[in-house]
Amino acid sequence: EAGVAQSPRYKIIEKRQSVAFWCNPISGHATLYWYQQILGQGPKLLIQFQNNGVVDDSQLPKDRFSAERLKGVDSTLKIQPAKLEDSAVYLCASRPASGRASNTGELFFGEGSRLTVL
Amino acid sequence: DAKTTQPPSMDCAEGRAANLPCNHSTISGNEYVYWYRQIHSQGPQYIIHGLKNNETNEMASLIITEDRKSSTLILPHATLRDTAVYYCIVYRANAGGTSYGKLTFGQGTILTVHP
Repeated sequence: EAGVAQSPRYKIIEKRQSVAFWCNPISGHATLYWYQQILGQGPKLLIQFQNNGVVDDSQLPKDRFSAERLKGVDSTLKIQPAKLEDSAVYLCASRPASGRASNTGELFFGEGSRLTVL
Repeated sequence: DAKTTQPPSMDCAEGRAANLPCNHSTISGNEYVYWYRQIHSQGPQYIIHGLKNNETNEMASLIITEDRKSSTLILPHATLRDTAVYYCIVYRANAGGTSYGKLTFGQGTILTVHP
């Protein structure tokens, strides 16, 4: 089974520029998450989707961050304009809609996209 | 969700058992204990979880105290590839069986396995 795919793996931009990250979850997984992980810290949830609807975006800085999952499959996270403090790894995770793992805390994570803002 | 407390770092000799503690004294009766690990430059990986009983799988064992206020993750024969950050997380599944629950990560324990 293919895992969660993310791209790009690395991105370097200057502050005030924009950037977009893409995530393709495991096939059939209804729930999709975006986490931000700053160096030395644990991942912090930014947004959670159930199919194409937003379940929780309380931690998403909506003045500069946006995310969408239009067809309920892949998702895009955008930052515009970027700030220095946005330097982090952006992790995407997914979970199935049914079966043993559907209501558990067993998430499947991608390798992440590392953003450096200069 | 209940908070967890873990030591910031631990060392272990290769081939020996690694015992990683976690305190979760405010855990509620319907909250599970989950463990994840994160190897350098990779995303977190699920290891094991439990509610009340001890659990074992191919990766590790999880020992939960009777009062459920603490737990220990055991890697029975640590290898160099087990060097990672280990996260203990208290998780509450969404009521009603929907898949809305979310994981809240803390700082974790950096486990270093030495040759």
